[in-house]
Amino acid sequence: DIVMTQSPATLSVSPGERATLSCRASQSVSSYVAWYQHKPGQAPRLLIYGASTRATGIPARFSGSGSGTDFTLTISSLQSEDFAVYYCLQYNLWPPATFGPGTKVEIK
Amino acid sequence: EVQLLESGGGLVQPGGSLRLSCIASGFSFSNFAMTWVRQAPGKGLEWVSVISASGDRAYYADAVKGRFNISRDSSKNTMYLQMDSLRVEDTAIYYCVKEAAAMINWYFDLWGRGTPVTVSS
Repeated sequence: DIVMTQSPATLSVSPGERATLSCRASQSVSSYVAWYQHKPGQAPRLLIYGASTRATGIPARFSGSGSGTDFTLTISSLQSEDFAVYYCLQYNLWPPATFGPGTKVEIK
Repeated sequence: EVQLLESGGGLVQPGGSLRLSCIASGFSFSNFAMTWVRQAPGKGLEWVSVISASGDRAYYADAVKGRFNISRDSSKNTMYLQMDSLRVEDTAIYYCVKEAAAMINWYFDLWGRGTPVTVSS
């Protein structure tokens, strides 16, 4: 199974600052990576698929990049509603689909 | 409105059974593969099972293989997860998830709010 790792585990950022989240796959997954935002008590929300394509309705401040084994989610200017846990998902080789352990973005 | 609504969670003793349901609305249910994902307390997201759009193929995580059974009824726009021989480690919020295509190995584009399952004596 492909193992996804994410760093850092927790990211402390001030509103208006840039946040850079990393995701790494244990083997190449081409560009088959998606990113999700998850807030407590809510349904996770798709942000990015295909490593870099924003999902419908996702603000332009969210961007994704990478291919192969290394991927990045960037939030250009953090808004209050962006504080949440972010997960990456690989869907190149599954089942099983595998998620990273998550990065919690918290207010600094 | 496009949405997924789970039900059927609750408290059950180890070795017991539960049947989760997920009602889909706002999209053509029979055209998309569907998945269950769970999140144990304090943990991340874990894929559990997937069923193809037509219902003819299903796959399971090793942790639940032989104990869980996924199914769907397109006439009712509903997906199910029959969970037998439940263990304490199955305690989690279970999310119903829609795939973005009919194929079973694509990304997930719509999630429900989840239904909690607690396995405890």
